[in-house]
Amino acid sequence: AQKITQTQPGMFVQEKEAVTLDCTYDTSDPSYGLFWYKQPSSGEMIFLIYQGSYDQQNATEGRYSLNFQKARKSANLVISASQLGDSAMYFCAMRTVSGYSTLTFGKGTMLLVSP
Amino acid sequence: DAGVIQSPRHEVTEMGQEVTLRCKPISGHDYLFWYRQTMMRGLELLIYFNNNVPIDDSGMPEDRFSAKMPNASFSTLKIQPSEPRDSAVYFCASSLARQSRIYTDTQYFGPGTRLTVL
Repeated sequence: AQKITQTQPGMFVQEKEAVTLDCTYDTSDPSYGLFWYKQPSSGEMIFLIYQGSYDQQNATEGRYSLNFQKARKSANLVISASQLGDSAMYFCAMRTVSGYSTLTFGKGTMLLVSP
Repeated sequence: DAGVIQSPRHEVTEMGQEVTLRCKPISGHDYLFWYRQTMMRGLELLIYFNNNVPIDDSGMPEDRFSAKMPNASFSTLKIQPSEPRDSAVYFCASSLARQSRIYTDTQYFGPGTRLTVL
């Protein structure tokens, strides 16, 4: 079975600072993908970044980077230079070979960016 | 390119009524997913299709829920009869499968339908 754990229900950060959102995962599959999604108050789910289990380098997408530590089974999202518009719920998710096409989601972390 | 389109965005209905949610996936995508999001249970996969064929409906809560995908560009999720506990946000998502590494495929979500059953 696959499991995603996000231990931070809420995080606060000041504008222009960096913030790390934690995600740990559990799977016995050697092949898997890790995803982060952002859900602002408007409700839509926005794909942010992807990391594959065989990728040698950490994924980056603009201000988003994924700190992938395979041995620790962690895939933390790092947001650099936080902006007010980053205030949202953030979900970590995983997809495995044995899980076919299904995504397993964590419970999410609410990020609030203050001026 | 247009993203995943869902309609309606908001639906308020009374208990016992039939509700139909609609989804248009991204053109060319061959997987379509229906999710439900509630505060208590988070995001749950209800059912998914591959090339219009239902693959796994084990997440469908009960027989009151049904989903169809008559063609590659349209899917419906129907609840009949609806109950107050069905109140949730329902998301549709689609992805394009790359057979060599299916677990890398990114699912793109629609804006969701917020359903309230009174």
